[in-house]
Amino acid sequence: DVKVTQSSRYLVKRTGEKVFLECVQDMDHENMFWYRQDPGLGLRLIYFSYDVKMKEKGDIPEGYSVSREKKERFSLILESASTNQTSMYLCASSSGGTNAEQYFGPGTRLTVT
Amino acid sequence: AQSVTQLDSHVSVSEGTPVLLRCNYSSSYSPSLFWYVQHPNKGLQLLLKYTSAATLVKGINGFEAEFKKSETSFHLTKPSAHMSDAAEYFCVVSDFLNTGNQFYFGTGTSLTVIP
Repeated sequence: DVKVTQSSRYLVKRTGEKVFLECVQDMDHENMFWYRQDPGLGLRLIYFSYDVKMKEKGDIPEGYSVSREKKERFSLILESASTNQTSMYLCASSSGGTNAEQYFGPGTRLTVT
Repeated sequence: AQSVTQLDSHVSVSEGTPVLLRCNYSSSYSPSLFWYVQHPNKGLQLLLKYTSAATLVKGINGFEAEFKKSETSFHLTKPSAHMSDAAEYFCVVSDFLNTGNQFYFGTGTSLTVIP
């Protein structure tokens, strides 16, 4: 079975802190994604990566950056956390082929105080 | 660009009665379509996917979805709801690009099952 793991289930940080969220997949998938999920808004794409060291902005990249140094690992970075970044963050991976589905991690619930 | 509309933000059914969750999409060509389920405080799990092989798609836990191109719909159904079906459901369409797949999510339908 494909497994996508995220470094933390729950995280509490202070405004202005630098925050790292890590995601690891074990199926050699080409594509990896970071979403945030907020009530009533569904999932919104922050960034995605289609290969090592490659990244593309999603719908809401402002205030975030990403890093993909190894194929299995995709990190989301909040350079200076703000209260409006309090949310559920979901990582996903996909093989990238036609009709390929995404596999999701369990999510990280981040609270910024 | 693709888009997905889930027509109901909340659906409430009694245990043992049918479930219908509605999804419409916009696409200029034959899309790949998915339904995912999310239980409280969990990640998303694939229920089923349509990839043009058959218009009626069977998924896990007794769920089905029918692709209707003329109506641009991909509604999710189940003949008899179970308490464990209470969750958030997302309809998703994907677009295959040179840079890999791009996925477009509906805003979700929250299913409540009344005992």
